[in-house]
Amino acid sequence: GEDVEQSLFLSVREGDSSVINCTYTDSSSTYLYWYKQEPGAGLQLLTYIFSNMDMKQDQRLTVLLNKKDKHLSLRIADTQTGDSAIYFCAEIPMFSGGYNKLIFGAGTRLAVHP
Amino acid sequence: NAGVTQTPKFRVLKTGQSMTLLCAQDMNHEYMYWYRQDPGMGLRLIHYSVGEGTTAKGEVPDGYNVSRLKKQNFLLGLESAAPSQTSVYFCAIRTSRSYEQYFGPGTRLTVT
Repeated sequence: GEDVEQSLFLSVREGDSSVINCTYTDSSSTYLYWYKQEPGAGLQLLTYIFSNMDMKQDQRLTVLLNKKDKHLSLRIADTQTGDSAIYFCAEIPMFSGGYNKLIFGAGTRLAVHP
Repeated sequence: NAGVTQTPKFRVLKTGQSMTLLCAQDMNHEYMYWYRQDPGMGLRLIHYSVGEGTTAKGEVPDGYNVSRLKKQNFLLGLESAAPSQTSVYFCAIRTSRSYEQYFGPGTRLTVT
């Protein structure tokens, strides 16, 4: 079956690194995504990684993929108050009919404090 | 929001009333999606469309209908609203040449 799980809450101090974790069950997942949602807003695509990659870095963001353990993580370096938001992990199962149905986790609320 | 607009932004309906949510894009993307977001559940796919004149069911299609008469617009209809349809509805778009889905700002619907 298709399932994506995330911890619900993470609190970090400003300037520290944040690591948000996600596990998924579908070993055939092709692409895995991280979206950010600020209060009252839509989802903003942060980054995504193809399943044949182990790591992707984009400025302060680092995505790590462990296919064996079906584990995806998002590391935010030098976390700022503007990073406070809900972060959603999502996957595209291989057998989604070619139409890229996204399966979302419940989201991790990141709180950044001084 | 990547050229995706949704109307209305907010709406309150009484049980049994009907309404239509509009998603409009100016990106000429082929694929369009409707999701609903409920607390603690992430987003779930209601219906999607792979091109003008085509629609298909997602994970939670019951109680909703959709139409895509023009490529730029994807309509989500509720024929007889129920309190269980209280949610935030998001539209998303994607081009056939990319795996990136871009979301609109959302419509907050309350059914009393």
